[in-house]
Amino acid sequence: GAGVSQSPSNKVTEKGKDVELRCDPISGHTALYWYRQRLGQGLEFLIYFQGNSAPDKSGLPSDRFSAERTGESVSTLTIQRTQQEDSAVYLCASVSAYSYNEQFFGPGTRLTVL
Amino acid sequence: AQTVTQSQPEMSVQEAETVTLSCTYDTSESNYYLFWYKQPPSRQMILVIRQEAYKQQNATENRFSVNFQKAAKSFSLKISDSQLGDTAMYFCAFMKLRESGGSNYKLTFGKGTLLTVNP
Repeated sequence: GAGVSQSPSNKVTEKGKDVELRCDPISGHTALYWYRQRLGQGLEFLIYFQGNSAPDKSGLPSDRFSAERTGESVSTLTIQRTQQEDSAVYLCASVSAYSYNEQFFGPGTRLTVL
Repeated sequence: AQTVTQSQPEMSVQEAETVTLSCTYDTSESNYYLFWYKQPPSRQMILVIRQEAYKQQNATENRFSVNFQKAAKSFSLKISDSQLGDTAMYFCAFMKLRESGGSNYKLTFGKGTLLTVNP
């Protein structure tokens, strides 16, 4: 079956612009996570969704970052007024309610802020 | 808070040989999972192997096995009969298990080890 998909694959933007990153989880997966991977670093947790609610937003680095999930499906991560330090790969992962210990990752969006 | 440390930024191994990647972690939790993920240049994170902390037996998946030392908080990955396709970044990750209620199983990752398998 289809895996987790993310779009766009790559995004280049100018400092100060807003960007939206999309994640389409595996159908029926109830939980969704966003992570950020800076160059040469491991993944950092950003936000967790259970259904359409986000009970843990503790990893969002600033109020320029926000995310939403609709229809217990697609999620959008929005970064407002992008800064150069926002350049990174943004990955999402979805999880089945029946197998909480395996996160299925998408291929990520590489964001470059000039 | 949990921390995961991978002390080897890069490693290399000859094809068909065995290599061990190191990982240590720090936690006050008693119930958790540990994982090794592989990330090839395609960026796709692939689960290699997982270990439940309450299980004493080390997990194995074909050519991949772990050495889990709970008291030492060590979780190393051994790759036997290395293949060219094993070339990738390898990340060690920690997942805390909530005892009751809640369903947030976020992962805490180390910085990764770049493994190169040479022909």
